[in-house]
Amino acid sequence: EAGVAQSPRYKIIEKRQSVAFWCNPISGHATLYWYQQILGQGPKLLIQFQNNGVVDDSQLPKDRFSAERLKGVDSTLKIQPAKLEDSAVYLCASRNIRQAKYGYTFGSGTRLTVV
Amino acid sequence: DAKTTQPNSMESNEEEPVHLPCNHSTISGTDYIHWYRQLPSQGPEYVIHGLTSNVNNRMASLAIAEDRKSSTLILHRATLRDAAVYYCILLDSGAGSYQLTFGKGTKLSVIP
Repeated sequence: EAGVAQSPRYKIIEKRQSVAFWCNPISGHATLYWYQQILGQGPKLLIQFQNNGVVDDSQLPKDRFSAERLKGVDSTLKIQPAKLEDSAVYLCASRNIRQAKYGYTFGSGTRLTVV
Repeated sequence: DAKTTQPNSMESNEEEPVHLPCNHSTISGTDYIHWYRQLPSQGPEYVIHGLTSNVNNRMASLAIAEDRKSSTLILHRATLRDAAVYYCILLDSGAGSYQLTFGKGTKLSVIP
C-alpha cells in the first residue's frame, strides 16, 4: 500500500511570511494527525482529525496555525505569520480506525526553516 | 498520560543483539506498550506493540515484565540500518483518541 505523502519536502521562508503544508494519508485511513518535531525532541501532536472533523486541537497555536481536512481525505496545515520558533519538521500520520490498537503510518515530513 | 523513561543513548556493535529498556511504572491496565523508531530524516516507523505477553515480529521482539512496569525491545542482530531513535510509548486503548505522545527516546548507534 502507498504510504503517507507529504509536500513540500523542504521550505525556507522569512519570519512573518505564511506557509502551507499538504498531506495525503493512506487510502481508507479515517484518522489523520499533524505533529511538530523540533530538532532534538520527539514529535509533538498539533491536531487530530477523524474524517473531516477535528477531534483534538488543544495543542495547536490557533493564533497562527490552522488546519483543515476537506472531504475527509487530504489535509493542509498553514502557518500565518511564521515565527523563528516555528522552524521544525512537520509530520503527518494516519491510522486505520478499524485497527485502532495498531500502528500509525507517518510521512517523511516537511522541514521548515524560518529565517 | 502515563509516562515512560528511556536511556538517552545506547551503542551496539553490528550483528550483536541489542536490548533497549523502557520503564513505565505508572502504566494502567488499558495501556498498550508501543515502540516506534525514527531513522535520520524520516518520520517515525512502527516497530512492535504488546499488552501483557511477549511479542515477536520480523523486526524485533518485545519482552514485557510480569508486573508490566517495564519492557525491553530486542533487536536480535543489529545492523547499520537500525541506527535510529527508538521511542517507547504507552497508548491508552480506553481513551478512544489513540494519541501517541512521544518522549525523547533512545538514540541507538551501531558500530561497524
